[in-house]
Amino acid sequence: AQTVTQSQPEMSVQEAETVTLSCTYDTSESDYYLFWYKQPPSRQMILVIRQEAYKQQNATENRFSVNFQKAAKSFSLKISDSQLGDAAMYFCAYRSARSGTASKLTFGTGTRLQVTL
Amino acid sequence: DVKVTQSSRYLVKRTGEKVFLECVQDMDHENMFWYRQDPGLGLRLIYFSYDVKMKEKGDIPEGYSVSREKKERFSLILESASTNQTSMYLCASSLGGTQYFGPGTRLTVL
Repeated sequence: AQTVTQSQPEMSVQEAETVTLSCTYDTSESDYYLFWYKQPPSRQMILVIRQEAYKQQNATENRFSVNFQKAAKSFSLKISDSQLGDAAMYFCAYRSARSGTASKLTFGTGTRLQVTL
Repeated sequence: DVKVTQSSRYLVKRTGEKVFLECVQDMDHENMFWYRQDPGLGLRLIYFSYDVKMKEKGDIPEGYSVSREKKERFSLILESASTNQTSMYLCASSLGGTQYFGPGTRLTVL
């Protein structure tokens, strides 16, 4: 079974600075997808960024980018120019490309990001 | 925009009650999911459905059942609520790989 590990329960960053959230995963498969989701306090979970394992290029979405190291099974999220609105719980998630009829996700335990002035 | 709604944001029930949590999506998605979210444990999959009347157990199905009579609606049922089912429940739907989440229902069982 696949597992996703987020070893940082909490992180803090100053406004306008850069922060990197770590995620590692364990799988025997070669084709899969990785995601970062953001859950602001008392608000809905939303997708931040998605990476296909077969793509070597790291995904980027505005101030959010990933460092995908397939051999190391590492998928970190970098947030540049941090803003107060980035404060949230961040979840890393894995999905096999062979999920069959439904796209099941396996989630990490989350990293709570605090943004300070 | 994809919209996933859940019937209640907060719910308080008593031990032994039958509890229904409703989820509705408006994007004609095939797949729907129920998760529970607990501090330090992340999101754990309870059940999912890939078509009307089709369902599969997730990682923690014990104590839960589901119903999907229409494509847009996926219900989670707690047949006899227990205090260890106090949690945040999240519904999601997907078409392809990306899942879209509802706002969550915080259920407290007394």
